[in-house]
Amino acid sequence: DIQMTQSPSSLSASVGDRVTITCQASQDISNFLNWYQQKPGKAPKLLIYDASNLETGVPSRFSGSGSGTDFTFTISSLQPEDIATYYCQQYDSLPPAFGQGTKLEIK
Amino acid sequence: QVQLQESGPGLVKPSQTLSLTCSVSGDSISSSNYYWSWIRQPAGKGLEWIGRIYTSGSTNYNPSLKSRVTISVDTSKNQFSLKLSSVTAADTAVYYCARESSSSSDSWGQGTLVTVSS
Repeated sequence: DIQMTQSPSSLSASVGDRVTITCQASQDISNFLNWYQQKPGKAPKLLIYDASNLETGVPSRFSGSGSGTDFTFTISSLQPEDIATYYCQQYDSLPPAFGQGTKLEIK
Repeated sequence: QVQLQESGPGLVKPSQTLSLTCSVSGDSISSSNYYWSWIRQPAGKGLEWIGRIYTSGSTNYNPSLKSRVTISVDTSKNQFSLKLSSVTAADTAVYYCARESSSSSDSWGQGTLVTVSS
């Protein structure tokens, strides 16, 4: 199975900050990488698919990049409503594995 | 807009079978080109993909759970179901159903908590 490693596991930032989360796959997954946002008590929400494509309706301050084994998720200007846990997920092969999550907090 | 809703017992005894159903509205399971999947999340932990079913009835399961999992579909009711046998406390989690394309899970149910306890 492919393993996904996210870093950091938690992050504290101020409103307006640029925030970056990284995700590393244990083997080449091309661009088969998604990013989800999960707020407390809620289901995950798809933000980015295929590494860099923004899901319809998702604000443009969210972006993703990378291919192969190394991927980056960025919030260009952190907003209070972005407080959540973010997960990467590989979709190159079954089972579609998730990273362990990055909990984002406001400083 | 597709909506998914999980239902089933919130408490299951150890060694018994966990059974959940996902009701889908806004999309037809029988005619859509999507997979229909189950994902779970223990309290305070990450997400684990359990498995999925296609319209045709073909299934894929997580190898870590494959011996205990059955996913089925009832197209007449526009529902799909999860059965997980021989449960232990380690199976206590929030269980989500989701619609899955070839590249992502784009729609999720709200989740249902299942506790395994005697």
